[in-house]
Amino acid sequence: QKEVEQNSGPLSVPEGAIASLNCTYSDRVSQSFFWYRQYSGKSPELIMSIYSNGDKEDGRFTAQLNKASQYVSLLIRDSQPSDSATYLCAVWGEYGNKLVFGAGTILRVKS
Amino acid sequence: KAGVTQTPRYLIKTRGQQVTLSCSPISGHRSVSWYQQTPGQGLQFLFEYFSETQRNKGNFPGRFSGRQFSNSRSEMNVSTLELGDSALYLCASSLDGQPNYGYTFGSGTRLTVV
Repeated sequence: QKEVEQNSGPLSVPEGAIASLNCTYSDRVSQSFFWYRQYSGKSPELIMSIYSNGDKEDGRFTAQLNKASQYVSLLIRDSQPSDSATYLCAVWGEYGNKLVFGAGTILRVKS
Repeated sequence: KAGVTQTPRYLIKTRGQQVTLSCSPISGHRSVSWYQQTPGQGLQFLFEYFSETQRNKGNFPGRFSGRQFSNSRSEMNVSTLELGDSALYLCASSLDGQPNYGYTFGSGTRLTVV
């Protein structure tokens, strides 16, 4: 079983819709959770971090964490074509001094 | 403030050769982590250095090695290159290795093994 799992997609949504990206992780004692966005040919950039159960909102982005279910998600409201990218879920915890990444979900926003 | 600098940006090597990649972290950052990114496997952790010491290592063969200098710059070396080593190699810079206080990636080195 992979430590961090994501649906590879592609997830296609129309412009203006809500995009929902999901991630599950295997280590129950994981502490910190991150969402990175990676445009084609570019390096990952951090868009959201979340450390406690519940929702965290930042502009059009909302991260949701449920530690009991070992599940973290990212909602993108009012999706724009510029949101088209690969979204990487990353988990920090008891794995040692390393950030463990999922394989990423490709998001395509159609105008 | 300067970002994370990786050199070179692109490399083409032949099977059996060795290669050295460089990463200069953000000024003041003492931790450098290295990742390999391939289309099939995503981002895979290679190793992390902090104050010239390797603190953690991923599941890669011994052909992959690294080091960190007193100025926090880090190098990774791959010996006896194989076709499967073709990938984007990314380094990430942070204050102490924890992403909570910032974890910035460089632009990466694209290695092609032919």
